[in-house]
Amino acid sequence: SQQGEEDPQALSIQEGENATMNCSYKTSINNLQWYRQNSGRGLVHLILIRSNEREKHSGRLRVTLDTSKKSSSLLITASRAADTASYFCATSRRQGAQKLVFGQGTRLTINP
Amino acid sequence: NAGVMQNPRHLVRRRGQEARLRCSPMKGHSHVYWYRQLPEEGLKFMVYLQKENIIDESGMPKERFSAEFPKEGPSILRIQQVVRGDSAAYFCASSQTSGGDYNEQFFGPGTRLTVL
Repeated sequence: SQQGEEDPQALSIQEGENATMNCSYKTSINNLQWYRQNSGRGLVHLILIRSNEREKHSGRLRVTLDTSKKSSSLLITASRAADTASYFCATSRRQGAQKLVFGQGTRLTINP
Repeated sequence: NAGVMQNPRHLVRRRGQEARLRCSPMKGHSHVYWYRQLPEEGLKFMVYLQKENIIDESGMPKERFSAEFPKEGPSILRIQQVVRGDSAAYFCASSQTSGGDYNEQFFGPGTRLTVL
């Protein structure tokens, strides 16, 4: 079964800097999504990119997808202390209602 | 429109007891998913249900675990004879109908199960 892997496992940067997190997966996908999880909370959906897309933007978020390398990156620009959280990529193999396969996550800390 | 609701938020059980976790999906959502998260790890899919049907239980342990989503009422994840290894956060998510290209899954706050 596919399994996403994020790197780095932990990232600590200064407020205002950009944060880049990467995700790799093993099998073909229909779409890839990024989620944020604040400590002790549920997951919040950030952005979805489909397998036929290469790049997508949403506010300060930029996601890229390289299906040939089976990898994706999430860039958060001009980071803020409130961005401190764990970030997970999740893949879905088919369209429609489907289970998500999550990576291990990247713990991002933004230092004020 | 209330989000996905889970209760209890925290549950403590002794080894050998039963744990029942409840999930009420968002209004209008007919698909429910259960995931388990161990400390410092990502979420692992357990089971996907629609009303009165289990669609995919490929991530569910074969023994002691069961799930249901009755016609009326919340979805229930039941763990019998709990062991310490069952200690984890259990998240429920819901989505709308299966039609269309993509159905965003909305997550509940989770139930943190601790087995003593």
